Amino acid sequence: DAGVTQSPTHLIKTRGQHVTLRCSPISGHKSVSWYQQVLGQGPQFIFQYYEKEERGRGNFPDRFSARQFPNYSSELNVNALLLGDSALYLCASSWGTEETQYFGPGTRLLVL
Amino acid sequence: EDKVVQSPLSLVVHEGDTVTLNCSYEVTNFRSLLWYKQEKKAPTFLFMLTSSGIEKKSGRLSSILDKKELFSILNITATQTGDSAIYLCAVLSNAGNNRKLIWGLGTSLAVNP
Repeated sequence: DAGVTQSPTHLIKTRGQHVTLRCSPISGHKSVSWYQQVLGQGPQFIFQYYEKEERGRGNFPDRFSARQFPNYSSELNVNALLLGDSALYLCASSWGTEETQYFGPGTRLLVL
Repeated sequence: EDKVVQSPLSLVVHEGDTVTLNCSYEVTNFRSLLWYKQEKKAPTFLFMLTSSGIEKKSGRLSSILDKKELFSILNITATQTGDSAIYLCAVLSNAGNNRKLIWGLGTSLAVNP
């Protein structure tokens, strides 16, 4: 069975641009969570979605938004990119909101 | 403010040694504590702990949770070079409709041959 997949794997953008990252959960999982991991630090929680509804939000500015589709895949959007947004963006899926989360390989974003 | 603190931040041992990694937390509406191993890519799941005093074991790795003292430990016996990684602890918090994972900074373990 396929695990969590994310696209693209790597991305380079310039300041002020916007970016859309995509995630497909493990088949049967209904919850998707997004994390930002800066080099040398643990993942920081951004959003959790379950059944297309937002169920959790971390301390990120409104430039960050996300949505979940009927097939449970998800997109993370970041507007007006800043240099500090450069990070590894991880998507994790779980059956429900409190079950173990399994991570995808991540999308590495570099903002120049 | 919710927080998860791991110690030590970094550890270097020789193959065959036993290591104990610590994770303490101050989180409102605690639901569970999770341990992950991160090598070069995304974290991989190790254990999920919800009840105090019940040891979870997988091969040379084991973990236990103390909900009274608000901490967990991860033990690795007979370490191997392949155990070299960052070990992350995270606590699942459920406050009303707001559920989130709060992460520690991780413990970087290096196992030398």
